[in-house]
Amino acid sequence: DIQMTQSPSSLSASVGDRVTITCQASQDISNYLNWYQQKPGKAPNLLIYDASNLETGVPSRFSGSGSGTDFSFTISSLQPEDIATYYCQQYDEVPLTFGGGTKVEIK
Amino acid sequence: QVQLVESGGAVVQPGRSLRLSCAASGFTFSSYGMHWVRQAPGKGLEWVAVISYDVANKYYADFVKGRFTISRDNSKKTLNLQMNSLRAEDTAVYYCARALRQGYNYNGFDMWGQGTMVTVSS
Repeated sequence: DIQMTQSPSSLSASVGDRVTITCQASQDISNYLNWYQQKPGKAPNLLIYDASNLETGVPSRFSGSGSGTDFSFTISSLQPEDIATYYCQQYDEVPLTFGGGTKVEIK
Repeated sequence: QVQLVESGGAVVQPGRSLRLSCAASGFTFSSYGMHWVRQAPGKGLEWVAVISYDVANKYYADFVKGRFTISRDNSKKTLNLQMNSLRAEDTAVYYCARALRQGYNYNGFDMWGQGTMVTVSS
C-alpha cells in the first residue's frame, strides 16, 4: 500500500497568514493526488484534484503543487472559515490512501 | 438536488452484522464509481471499498476483506455495504462518496454523504 505522510499534524496561524501543508508519498504517484477540507462534524469537501487543479467553487486562496512523491497545499491568506482539518489522498493505486490530516487553527 | 444520503448505522454487538445503504439523487448514478470511506471517532479518513459504475469491479481495504461486501443497484440508485463479523475497531462514521468525475472509478471523491454512525460494542 502507498503510505501518505502529511505534515505538520497541526498548526496555528493568524488570519491573513500564508499556510503550507506538505504530503509525501511512499512511492511515485505522478500527480494522482487530491486535497480535502473537513470541518468539525461535517463530511470532507474536495478542494484540489490532480495535485494542482482547483475544484469548481473553491476560493482561489487555496492551491496545490507537486508531483512524484512530494506535494504541498497552500492557503495564501488564512481566513476564519478555513479552520478545519485538511487531508491529502492518493489515487495512483488501490487501496486509496489518505494522509493523517493537518488540523489548522487560528492563533 | 444532488445528494447522497446514508442510512443503517446502529449500535451492534461484536460478531454481528449490519447493512448500510446510500441513496443517490440528482445525478446519473450509473455513470459513477462509488466508495465507502470511514472515520473512527477522533481519527482520520480511511478508505473501505469501491464498486465500479458498471458493477464489474469491486475492491476492498485489507482490514475488511472477506467481512464486508459492497454492492449497488443502479435502477434504484442505491449503494450498499453489508458488514459481517463486526469488530470494535469497525466503530466509525461511514460515508458513501462518489468517484471524482463521471466515467471514473478510483480517482478520489467529489461528493460525500452526511455519514452514518456504526458502533460495535457489547
